[in-house]
Amino acid sequence: SQTIHQWPATLVQPVGSPLSLECTVEGTSNPNLYWYRQAAGRGLQLLFYSVGIGQISSEVPQNLSASRPQDRQFILSSKKLLLSDSGFYLCAWRSHPHEQYFGPGTRLTVT
Amino acid sequence: DAKTTQPNSMESNEEEPVHLPCNHSTISGTDYIHWYRQLPSQGPEYVIHGLTSNVNNRMASLAIAEDRKSSTLILHRATLRDAAVYYCILNFGNEKLTFGTGTRLTIIP
Repeated sequence: SQTIHQWPATLVQPVGSPLSLECTVEGTSNPNLYWYRQAAGRGLQLLFYSVGIGQISSEVPQNLSASRPQDRQFILSSKKLLLSDSGFYLCAWRSHPHEQYFGPGTRLTVT
Repeated sequence: DAKTTQPNSMESNEEEPVHLPCNHSTISGTDYIHWYRQLPSQGPEYVIHGLTSNVNNRMASLAIAEDRKSSTLILHRATLRDAAVYYCILNFGNEKLTFGTGTRLTIIP
């Protein structure tokens, strides 16, 4: 069966520090991968998606970037965090055009 | 993207059926109706999707109006573990799922 992993589960970082969040999927090959963010009290916002290695589409221009160095690995990064980057970051993969499966998430607090 | 309208919140008694409504009067012919739910402090969970016909799976049933301008997610026997925010989303199968604010379902023991 397929499994999606995200780490770390929680993270507290100072403003201006770098960020790297990692997501890996097991049990499938060539998945479509997604990064979402959920700010406190708000809905989920799609940040990036990838349909293959090295292929990244950005939905919202901002302080973040994404990379896909391997088939089942998706990384979210920032060079300098802002207070507004705080939120719940979720990685997801798609098995079927109409079914996305989400990881456990990383709760990021920028102080 | 076509918009969906859901009640902000609903309550239901444990072990009773729950009917969660969704209005989507501007739905296009290629839009599928999807439902996801998000339990507290977790990522969303896929529940069900459909196009025109009613759909059933192990988690829920989806009843779609004949004109497709509304749909209802049916939980046949609610448990405390069903307390979550339920999102109704229209999508024709592309990458972009647009989550609104959903319906917060509270289950009363």
